[in-house]
Amino acid sequence: DVKVTQSSRYLVKRTGEKVFLECVQDMDHENMFWYRQDPGLGLRLIYFSYDVKMKEKGDIPEGYSVSREKKERFSLILESASTNQTSMYLCASSVPQVGRTEAFFGQGTRLTVV
Amino acid sequence: KNQVEQSPQSLIILEGKNCTLQCNYTVSPFSNLRWYKQDTGRGPVSLTIMTFSENTKSNGRYTATLDADTKQSSLHITASQLSDSASYICVVSAQSGAQKLVFGQGTRLTINP
Repeated sequence: DVKVTQSSRYLVKRTGEKVFLECVQDMDHENMFWYRQDPGLGLRLIYFSYDVKMKEKGDIPEGYSVSREKKERFSLILESASTNQTSMYLCASSVPQVGRTEAFFGQGTRLTVV
Repeated sequence: KNQVEQSPQSLIILEGKNCTLQCNYTVSPFSNLRWYKQDTGRGPVSLTIMTFSENTKSNGRYTATLDADTKQSSLHITASQLSDSASYICVVSAQSGAQKLVFGQGTRLTINP
């Protein structure tokens, strides 16, 4: 089974702190994604990466950055956390298969910024 | 603009009853459509996948349909169980060089005993 592991289930951080969310997958997938999930808004793509050291902005990249130094690890960085970044963060990975691509999700990190 | 809309936003039914969740999409070019189940506090897990040529796909008590002409999909749950209480998310994949997944907002289903 594919396993996508996020480093923390729950985090509480103060406004202005630098926050690192870590994600590791064990299936040698090329693609990795970071989403945030908010009530009424569904999942929104923050950043994705299709290879080591490659990254592309998603729909809501402002206030975030990412790092992918190794294929299995994709980190989301909040340079200066703000209260509007309180959310559920979901990491996913996938390998492109024509017509059948599936994203596998981690368990999520619920981040609260106070 | 690529969009996926789901209805209803929330649904409450009694255990043992059937229900149908709807998904309308405007994603082009279409690659496939998946229904995901997300338990509270967990990441989404894929239930079914539908490609352009498939009309119906079953996974146990879950049956998904796809009408590519009208760009509509449904997820039918038969003989609901308490463990079916979850959010169900419709996700449409666009057939492009870089993978593009478009998520619906989800339907929150509650099964009451």
